[in-house]
Amino acid sequence: GQNIDQPTEMTATEGAIVQINCTYQTSGFNGLFWYQQHAGEAPTFLSYNVLDGLEEKGRFSSFLSRSKGYSYLLLKELQMKDSASYLCAVREPTLGGTDSWGKLQFGAGTQVVVTP
Amino acid sequence: DAGVIQSPRHEVTEMGQEVTLRCKPISGHDYLFWYRQTMMRGLELLIYFNNNVPIDDSGMPEDRFSAKMPNASFSTLKIQPSEPRDSAVYFCASSLATTGVDGYTFGSGTRLTVV
Repeated sequence: GQNIDQPTEMTATEGAIVQINCTYQTSGFNGLFWYQQHAGEAPTFLSYNVLDGLEEKGRFSSFLSRSKGYSYLLLKELQMKDSASYLCAVREPTLGGTDSWGKLQFGAGTQVVVTP
Repeated sequence: DAGVIQSPRHEVTEMGQEVTLRCKPISGHDYLFWYRQTMMRGLELLIYFNNNVPIDDSGMPEDRFSAKMPNASFSTLKIQPSEPRDSAVYFCASSLATTGVDGYTFGSGTRLTVV
């Protein structure tokens, strides 16, 4: 089974920094992903962590601690276009060992609202 | 690359009718996933394939749902008979398993409304 928790909503001001936390309890772990989803659109890939530590990609950074089952996505220099839902997802190897690559299970998403 | 292509974009059907959703993955990708998204339940994995073989269908809600992947470039998700509670956005995604970083690329989705 799996349990992926993240806050429902966060509000921040344009130009500020926001940190979205994600905790997970899964039967297996083969990487953690962050996706961005604008209203009415498909999710788009933001970042991937499989080892502990920080991955930086422009204004977005993602951190992972496997021992704590914890990740965060850091959005810096917020822009109005960053208003969207941010989804934390864990890849789990399929039970029974039929597929080591695994399936991606998503959290409910965090709605980030950026205000002027 | 045109990305993952889904059709139709919107589907409105009456309860009891058969619905078929279609997906063309990115060429060369060896994994294909079907997800369903609703406000109440978020993004749920229904089924996924590796090299056209179904690997895990534990997320398929009922026998009314079935999925096939007859070849590497095409998959279908069928609901028969459809019910109002099946109303959702259905996404198809594909991925290539390598040792590097691979995001799953999503199609634009099919918004299904069953009345």
